[in-house]
Amino acid sequence: DTGVSQNPRHKITKRGQNVTFRCDPISEHNRLYWYRQTLGQGPEFLTYFQNEAQLEKSRLLSDRFSAERPKGSFSTLEIQRTEQGDSAMYLCASSFETTRDTQYFGPGTRLTVL
Amino acid sequence: GEDVEQSLFLSVREGDSSVINCTYTDSSSTYLYWYKQEPGAGLQLLTYIFSNMDMKQDQRLTVLLNKKDKHLSLRIADTQTGDSAIYFCAETPILTGGGNKLTFGTGTQLKVEL
Repeated sequence: DTGVSQNPRHKITKRGQNVTFRCDPISEHNRLYWYRQTLGQGPEFLTYFQNEAQLEKSRLLSDRFSAERPKGSFSTLEIQRTEQGDSAMYLCASSFETTRDTQYFGPGTRLTVL
Repeated sequence: GEDVEQSLFLSVREGDSSVINCTYTDSSSTYLYWYKQEPGAGLQLLTYIFSNMDMKQDQRLTVLLNKKDKHLSLRIADTQTGDSAIYFCAETPILTGGGNKLTFGTGTQLKVEL
């Protein structure tokens, strides 16, 4: 399977703990996006990378959130000092840079903060 | 900023056609997408249309675009129980040299009854 993969699929943590999620994009894709989806809502953009450069961050991405893509392949999203409001599905998408930039999504990581 | 709106629910009988509607506000050239999300899963790309097109057909799926009213619809012919899911409309402006973050609607829950 050469689709976008995300790990872990589910994460339960206590408030105040740090969590890290990983996304492996489709191999030839140079763009990688992170979105957050809360219950009953559509996904909201968090940040995106072109190769290893993080080019845009949403105002939703507070100082407790950090994302990296060190070698332009996989990416990690870390949340420090988690809060109950961080509970959501975190979705990763990748694309190959073209005008259309069609994004293909992974299965997501469901985060529950107790 | 961009805004995308959808009706929340649609119920149809198996074998009937489903029509899911979406309105958007971006007035620039844009790509418009339809994604499908099954429970607990990521988003599956169904189809897309560029804003200079009126219609696109792909097997059981027909996308209609009314540019004047900024109205997009997705018609599913011969709806099956496997089509039960949440359908998201998303748009992104055409940007040269930059990533195209998607703005999603809240999703339409399609329920297919026997």
